Amino acid sequence: QQQVKQSPQSLIVQKGGIPIINCAYENTAFDYFPWYQQFPGKGPALLIAIRPDVSEKKEGRFTISFNKSAKQFSLHIMDSQPGDSATYFCAASPQTGANNLFFGTGTRLTVIP
Amino acid sequence: EPEVTQTPSHQVTQMGQEVILRCVPISNHLYFYWYRQILGQKVEFLVSFYNNEISEKSEIFDDQFSVERPDGSNFTLKIRSTKLEDSAMYFCASTPEGGGRGTQYFGPGTRLTVL
Repeated sequence: QQQVKQSPQSLIVQKGGIPIINCAYENTAFDYFPWYQQFPGKGPALLIAIRPDVSEKKEGRFTISFNKSAKQFSLHIMDSQPGDSATYFCAASPQTGANNLFFGTGTRLTVIP
Repeated sequence: EPEVTQTPSHQVTQMGQEVILRCVPISNHLYFYWYRQILGQKVEFLVSFYNNEISEKSEIFDDQFSVERPDGSNFTLKIRSTKLEDSAMYFCASTPEGGGRGTQYFGPGTRLTVL
């Protein structure tokens, strides 16, 4: 029940395209949903996060859409750039305890110039 | 900007040996974590630590693993008798607060290779 399912495994888009990465969860105790960006050889870095009291959050070119009833959330990257090429992980955390993160399996995004 | 640091960046060890991975969390943070990432796979939670004791741990964190905060700045992960399957990137993270309210900041990781 701690699983977070993520798709697709990899994604290739042209510069300016809008890649969409999807995640789904089962544990209704999750109430914090961050997205992390990871470049090769680096640790994950927080990109954007959402809580279930809103259906959408936008920061710059990154938007999270959240569907609480379906227990799904997605990341949209507007006007994607080659520098966005990285692995993206969704994650979820329960509202109690030490805020442990449960990660999805990751999506390797390649943005072609 | 404050950041989480980890040493060493790469550790090579023989199977059965003990290793200690070191982390210096961000100074005013209260919660500390270890995660691991086997090559090409997802990041997996190992253990969280708060107020000088383990808060939660995963099934991966068995008796071969231990954590310690030996002083006010360092946070260590010890693997007593390494196995081949312990080869992975180990990430330390910290957050100023828990309960789903804190952003976790990750270090750059230590690549552990067990031969």
